[in-house]
Amino acid sequence: AQSVTQLGSHVSVSEGALVLLRCNYSSSVPPYLFWYVQYPNQGLQLLLKYTTGATLVKGINGFEAEFKKSETSFHLTKPSAHMSDAAEYFCAVTLTGGYNKLIFGAGTRLAVHP
Amino acid sequence: EAQVTQNPRYLITVTGKKLTVTCSQNMNHEYMSWYRQDPGLGLRQIYYSMNVEVTDKGDVPEGYKVSRKEKRNFPLILESPSPNQTSLYFCASSPGGGTGELFFGEGSRLTVL
Repeated sequence: AQSVTQLGSHVSVSEGALVLLRCNYSSSVPPYLFWYVQYPNQGLQLLLKYTTGATLVKGINGFEAEFKKSETSFHLTKPSAHMSDAAEYFCAVTLTGGYNKLIFGAGTRLAVHP
Repeated sequence: EAQVTQNPRYLITVTGKKLTVTCSQNMNHEYMSWYRQDPGLGLRQIYYSMNVEVTDKGDVPEGYKVSRKEKRNFPLILESPSPNQTSLYFCASSPGGGTGELFFGEGSRLTVL
């Protein structure tokens, strides 16, 4: 069975600091991996995704994530945090092509302080 | 504007009083789904629909019903709501093709007293 673990339910960084949100997955077959972001009082929107090919994927707003099969990880990073990055971030996994069964992690709430 | 629209956005009801949360998308997407979001649990899938008249259970379907009579609409029905269904509900749609990109509505916060 597939599962997603996000380490740290809350992460706090200073404006301008590196953002690192951790995600580890469990899957018996090659997965598709996603990061979604949820701003306050809004629905989720896709930040970036890995399907096949290049393991370093770039998303919107300067975020990127690297798929590391050996570590079963898909950590999200951003070199320099902005105040507008404060949101909740969800890692998700699905079977290859199985978009109807997206499994979400519990989420990590990112706080950015001046 | 491409969007997924849910109504109501906020609702307080009492145990046993049937309610429906509507969901409509204007992107001609084949796939639609309902999720509930609870603190510390992330999003869990309730039901999904691959196309008109095709629906299937997700991970937490108990106490919910859905229907897909038209491509654009996918209402979520709580026949007899209970307090454990107090949650934030999201409808999502996808064009399909295995992209994995879901387009979400803004959410419906339901409280069952």
